[in-house]
Amino acid sequence: GNSVTQMEGPVTLSEEAFLTINCTYTATGYPSLFWYVQYPGEGLQLLLKATKADDKGSNKGFEATYRKETTSFHLEKGSVQVSDSAVYFCASYSGAGSYQLTFGKGTKLSVIP
Amino acid sequence: DVKVTQSSRYLVKRTGEKVFLECVQDMDHENMFWYRQDPGLGLRLIYFSYDVKMKEKGDIPEGYSVSREKKERFSLILESASTNQTSMYLCASSVIQDEAFFGQGTRLTVV
Repeated sequence: GNSVTQMEGPVTLSEEAFLTINCTYTATGYPSLFWYVQYPGEGLQLLLKATKADDKGSNKGFEATYRKETTSFHLEKGSVQVSDSAVYFCASYSGAGSYQLTFGKGTKLSVIP
Repeated sequence: DVKVTQSSRYLVKRTGEKVFLECVQDMDHENMFWYRQDPGLGLRLIYFSYDVKMKEKGDIPEGYSVSREKKERFSLILESASTNQTSMYLCASSVIQDEAFFGQGTRLTVV
């Protein structure tokens, strides 16, 4: 089956620092890929997505590029803010055409002023 | 506004009880999921369903069953609740290969 591996946390950064959270998947073919975010006390919401190789998803200053050759979908932001403090989850379907959506374990980000 | 509604936010049940968690979506999505979320373990898929009366096991189906009699409703059943099933349960729905929309979650405590 598919597995999604993301960078272990927690991650603590100063405001305006550069953020990278690594994510790799094992699904075959070209599954859709996602980053979700969970702010403290809230539910999961989609941050960005990509549906084919070399696609770049972006939202709220965050970006991730679908890299088929390395089966990766790393999340980046050039300058983090305190309000970005949250848990970030990478997710992948188990293959093109699959109905099964698998999540990574999550990475907790804390941004300090 | 899209909506996935879980019947309870908080639930306390006794060991050995049969527990039903209900989830309803109003988006006409064919795909529905049940996950549990535990600290350090992320979201783990229990079951999913891609059509009425269809169900597939996820990564941790033991001790759970599901029911999907109508397209909009997906129920998770704990046949005999145990303390190790204390967790946050999340329901979601999607169209195939697209974004999953999540409910607010049910925090279940088994005592």
